[in-house]
This record gives sequence, structure tokens and C-alpha cells, in this order.
Amino acid sequence: DGGITQSPKYLFRKEGQNVTLSCEQNLNHDAMYWYRQDPGQGLRLIYYSQIVNDFQKGDIAEGYSVSREKKESFPLTVTSAQKNPTAFYLCASSTVGSGYTFGSGTRLTVV
Amino acid sequence: AQSVTQLGSHVSVSEGALVLLRCNYSSSVPPYLFWYVQYPNQGLQLLLKYTSAATLVKGINDFEAEFKKSETSFHLTKPSAHMSDAAEYFCAVSVGEYGNKLVFGAGTILRVKS
Repeated sequence: DGGITQSPKYLFRKEGQNVTLSCEQNLNHDAMYWYRQDPGQGLRLIYYSQIVNDFQKGDIAEGYSVSREKKESFPLTVTSAQKNPTAFYLCASSTVGSGYTFGSGTRLTVV
Repeated sequence: AQSVTQLGSHVSVSEGALVLLRCNYSSSVPPYLFWYVQYPNQGLQLLLKYTSAATLVKGINDFEAEFKKSETSFHLTKPSAHMSDAAEYFCAVSVGEYGNKLVFGAGTILRVKS
């Protein structure tokens, strides 16, 4: 079955560490997105990419970085510059006629 | 710029009662509107979407929503609540069906009482 796979499901980060969250889709979707979810704040867009080798900053890009070297993959790196990284991270993809499809999320905790 | 306001961070209904979750949007262009449901520690599942066709949109699990341009609203309803409907619901707006930023409301947690 086609879908979006996010890994790991749970991730722990020490202070000052960079960590990378994986997002892979086999839906042949052109566009991919990263959202951050905090209680009571809904989902906020971090980065999005409409085509391979191109991406744009969302509303809260500071302290994050992405790459889009392959259509199927859109990894997110949470850098040490992100001062409050503890959150639930959701990856999504979309294409014509499909709307947006979401992965099952990665919960990142700073320890 | 697009934005979404969901009225009521928590809504409580009795099993079998009408579910009404409110969503108002702001958009400078004709919007595409979506409702998603999220169960704890899971991703979002699409309930329904409005893409400028019929103003009354039917979705999964007997949910439906009506696009009212004059009121800039897209409220979600279900005639009879079930215990399994307890979850968090998000309204979202986009300038297109795909490939553009999807802007979310803050979410409404639905509680269903037995």
C-alpha cells in the first residue's frame, strides 16, 4: 500500500545535538511538507517543497533545515539552534487530485 | 494570507447527539477548505474537503460540512455522535488543492459522553 513513513516514532535529543527526522513517501507525490504540532497551537508549517531540489521556508523555519534530493524523501534536521524542539512533527505530501496525506508523526523530546 | 479560526478548543456532546464544530476562514482568494481528524499520537486523517464544487460536502463516517461564503464559515457536523468520534479535529485552508501551504486552525478536542 502507498503511504508516508516517518521514522523514528519517538526520538530523544540531548542539548546541543542535531537530529534528523526521516520522511519517505511512495505515493509519487510532487509536494512534501513538514509541520510542527504543539498542544493548543494546531500545526505550524516549517518547510515545504513543491519539486525535487527546491524548498521554501514556512512560518517557523528558524533552527530547522531540509533537503529534497529525491522525490520520495524529505528529511528534516532539527539543529542545536532550535531552542525549543520538543514537539510532535508531522510530514505530509500532496499532488493533483489527492489532497494532502500525512504520516504518523515523530515525537521529539529534549533530555 | 489565509487563516483559520476554530471556535471552541473543547466540545463535549452526549453519544447520539448532534456534533457541531465551528470553523471560520480568512482568504484573499477562493479557498480550498479541509477538515482533518487526529487520534492521540497519530497523523491526520482527511474527513472531507471543499474544492469549489458543491457547497455541501460529505465526508467519511457521516461527517459533512457546508461552505458558506457570506459567513466565511465551514462548520463540521455529524447527526449522531459515536464514542469513536472522540478525537481532535482540525480545519485547514489552502489556496489550492495541493502544492501550497496548508494553514491550520488551533484544533477542537471533541469529547463524547456515554
